[in-house]
Order: sequence, then C-alpha cells, then structure tokens
Amino acid sequence: QKEVEQNSGPLSVPEGAIASLNCTYSDRVSQSFFWYRQYSGKSPELIMSIYSNGDKEDGRFTAQLNKASQYVSLLIRDSQPSDSATYLCAGPGFQKLVFGTGTRLLVSP
Amino acid sequence: GAGVSQSPSNKVTEKGKDVELRCDPISGHTALYWYRQRLGQGLEFLIYFQGNSAPDKSGLPSDRFSAERTGESVSTLTIQRTQQEDSAVYLCASSRGQGNRFSSGNTIYFGEGSWLTVV
Repeated sequence: QKEVEQNSGPLSVPEGAIASLNCTYSDRVSQSFFWYRQYSGKSPELIMSIYSNGDKEDGRFTAQLNKASQYVSLLIRDSQPSDSATYLCAGPGFQKLVFGTGTRLLVSP
Repeated sequence: GAGVSQSPSNKVTEKGKDVELRCDPISGHTALYWYRQRLGQGLEFLIYFQGNSAPDKSGLPSDRFSAERTGESVSTLTIQRTQQEDSAVYLCASSRGQGNRFSSGNTIYFGEGSWLTVV
C-alpha cells in the first residue's frame, strides 16, 4: 500500500463552487500533513499544513485532518480559474516527506 | 539566500554524457532533498541529506546517480552516462530540522527545478 494516496482526477468544478480534494494515508502515527499546489511547469508551493485533528482555515482554503479514518482533505471555497493546478498531499514517511501523485483540479469560468 | 536556488535551470545533454545539478538550500536549513518529476508524473523521491550525511539513498534509481553535500549547504546531484529516460525536472527542497519530525518548523520548500533533457 502506498503511504499517501490521491485520486489523480481531473476534478472539474465551475467557478465559484467548492472544490474538495482528498488524500488517504497508511501510517497511523503520522502527525502532520501538507498540501502543495503545482502549476504546470512550476515547482510545488506550500499552501496549507495541518498537524491536529479537525479543520484549519486560511482564506478560501480549509484543510481537514481525520486521524481515526486516516484521511486529510483540502476544501477550496469560491473556486477561481486561477486555482486550476495539481494539488499534492504530503505526509511524513521515514525521514522524508512522502508525496501523493497529485489531483489535477480544473476550474471552469 | 531567500529561497532554494538550483542551477542550471535548463540543461540539454547528449545521451552518454555526465551532468551535474546544483542546489543551494535556504540558509540554516539542515535537511535537503532531491526529487525527480517526469513530465505529467508525480514526485519521485531520490535522496535525503541531514547535514552532510545521507541517511536515505533509497530512491536513487541506479548507480549512475550519486549526490553529495558539503558544508551542510550546497548539494550536487550527478548523473553519469545519461539516458533518455533521465529526462525530467530535478527538484531540490530544504527544511529546517530533522527530516523525520515534520512540524511547523520543518516545512519543506522547493527550488524552481533543473529541467534536464537528454537527446
């Protein structure tokens, strides 16, 4: 089983809708998770981190961590075409950060 | 420096040649990572440094790949006898602390990558 798994998508949502991106992980002792956004041809950039159960909000972004169910999600409210990118979930592996393969999000005007 | 710096940003090389890719991490970051990303694919872990030592080299795809780090700063990834399947963007990232204790202080930050094309 892969350590961090994501649906590759694409996930298509209309402008203004809520985009929901999900990630599951296998390591029960993992404490912290990160969401990175990667535009085509660019390197990943950190958008959210979450370390405890529950929700963490930052502007239009909300990260949710459920340790009992071993999933972490990212909600993007009022989605904009500029949010179209690949979103990478990352969690701690042994001495390194392990990335999922990413979910491609397409926000249509 | 302000961010992770990588050079060259683009490299086109002939099959069979050796290439060196350089990474300057964020000042004070003791952990350094190399990832590879082929076109349209996910991130592939290559190697991790804590200080100048490499506790985890498990991702290096073959013995043609090697990496070193000196002065707890600059790292060089070397690919010998390049093959066409080595064509990818090579991403370097750094973080402040121990690689296996990810917390708010240990977030990793990526450079812009070195785009390698083997022809």
